[in-house]
Amino acid sequence: DAGVTQSPTHLIKTRGQHVTLRCSPISGHKSVSWYQQVLGQGPQFIFQYYEKEERGRGNFPDRFSARQFPNYSSELNVNALLLGDSALYLCASSSPGPSSEKLFFGSGTQLSVL
Amino acid sequence: AQSVTQLDSHVSVSEGTPVLLRCNYSSSYSPSLFWYVQHPNKGLQLLLKYTSAATLVKGINGFEAEFKKSETSFHLTKPSAHMSDAAEYFCVVTIPNSNSGYALNFGKGTSLLVTP
Repeated sequence: DAGVTQSPTHLIKTRGQHVTLRCSPISGHKSVSWYQQVLGQGPQFIFQYYEKEERGRGNFPDRFSARQFPNYSSELNVNALLLGDSALYLCASSSPGPSSEKLFFGSGTQLSVL
Repeated sequence: AQSVTQLDSHVSVSEGTPVLLRCNYSSSYSPSLFWYVQHPNKGLQLLLKYTSAATLVKGINGFEAEFKKSETSFHLTKPSAHMSDAAEYFCVVTIPNSNSGYALNFGKGTSLLVTP
């Protein structure tokens, strides 16, 4: 079975641009979470979605948004990029319910903002 | 608030010697605690999980962790280090969200170096 897949793997943007990151969960997993990992730090929680509904949001500005589609895949959008948004963005999925705590992580999208 | 503190940012051991990675937690109730490992250019992998069923938790690749409520600790150990254990290790606690969801609160990580 395929694991959590994220695309693209690497991305270079300039300040002020917009970016969309994509995530496909493990088959059968209905919950998707997004985390930001700045170099040298632990991942920080951004969003959790379950059954297309937002179940949690971390301490990130409104420039960050996400959504989940009927097939449970998800997109993370970041507007008006700042240099500080450069990070590894990790997607994780879990099953069966929104409170399932065993997360399976993808390899991430490395975003560089110049 | 639920949080974890990893006491060492870097740990270096020789191959074949024991590994100890230290983590203290802060929680207002019985927490769910985890250890994750991150190898270079790879995603995070769950090593083990504590959920109050047993204080000594066995994980993958020979790792285990002991939950000590009196010390608010959840240290990760392995009897004999292997070169392939070199990686970044994260101690994690769950934080429930208001809408029936939850988030993982990661420590800052401990970089394990294994020397020949």
